[in-house]
Amino acid sequence: SQTIHQWPATLVQPVGSPLSLECTVEGTSNPNLYWYRQAAGRGLQLLFYSVGIGQISSEVPQNLSASRPQDRQFILSSKKLLLSDSGFYLCAWSVTQETQYFGPGTRLLVL
Amino acid sequence: GQQLNQSPQSMFIQEGEDVSMNCTSSSIFNTWLWYKQDPGEGPVLLIALYKAGELTSNGRLTAQFGITRKDSFLNISASIPSDVGIYFCAGQMNTGNQFYFGTGTSLTVIP
Repeated sequence: SQTIHQWPATLVQPVGSPLSLECTVEGTSNPNLYWYRQAAGRGLQLLFYSVGIGQISSEVPQNLSASRPQDRQFILSSKKLLLSDSGFYLCAWSVTQETQYFGPGTRLLVL
Repeated sequence: GQQLNQSPQSMFIQEGEDVSMNCTSSSIFNTWLWYKQDPGEGPVLLIALYKAGELTSNGRLTAQFGITRKDSFLNISASIPSDVGIYFCAGQMNTGNQFYFGTGTSLTVIP
C-alpha cells in the first residue's frame, strides 16, 4: 500500500534562516506531488505541484521554492524565512486525476 | 484561482444529530472529494465522487455529486464525539492537475 512521509513533524526556526522540508512517497510510481500551506487550521493554499522529476509548477509567488530530485521525493525550501512563513505544511500525492492523499504535515514556527 | 464556497463555516450540534454541509463552485468539476482533518494532522480522505448525481456512503457518511457538477454535499448521520474536526471539500476540473479546496466546516459535537 502507499504511504507518504513528511519530516520533520515540527520545526522552530529564526527569521532569516534557511528551510528544508522533505516529503517522500512509498508504494507508487510517478505520482503527482503537491505542497500546501495551511494557516490557523483552515484553508489549504496550494504552493507547488510536480508531475515529474525536475518539473515544478509554482502557484503563489513567495520566498519559497520546491524541488523534485527523485520520482518520489519532494522538497520545500527557503533561503531566508519570514515570520509570515509560519504555518502547517502539507505534502500530498495523487496518481490519477481522481484522488489525492495527504501526509501528516510539518508545523513550522518562525520566530 | 478557483474558489470553492463551503458552508456552514462552523457547526455546534448535539451528539446523535445529523449534519449537513455543502460546497459550491463557479466551474464544473469532474471530481469531488471530502476530507476530515483532526488537529495537527493531515486531512484524511473520506469519500470520492466521480459522476454527476453519484451518491456514495462510507459508514455514517453520505456524499453526493450535484447534477449541475458545480456542487457537492456531505451528510453525517447520528453524530458521535469522534466526528469532531474540520471537513474540507475539494474538486478537480477536467483539465490540469490541481485540486481546489473549500475553506472548511468546523464541526463540534456536544456529548
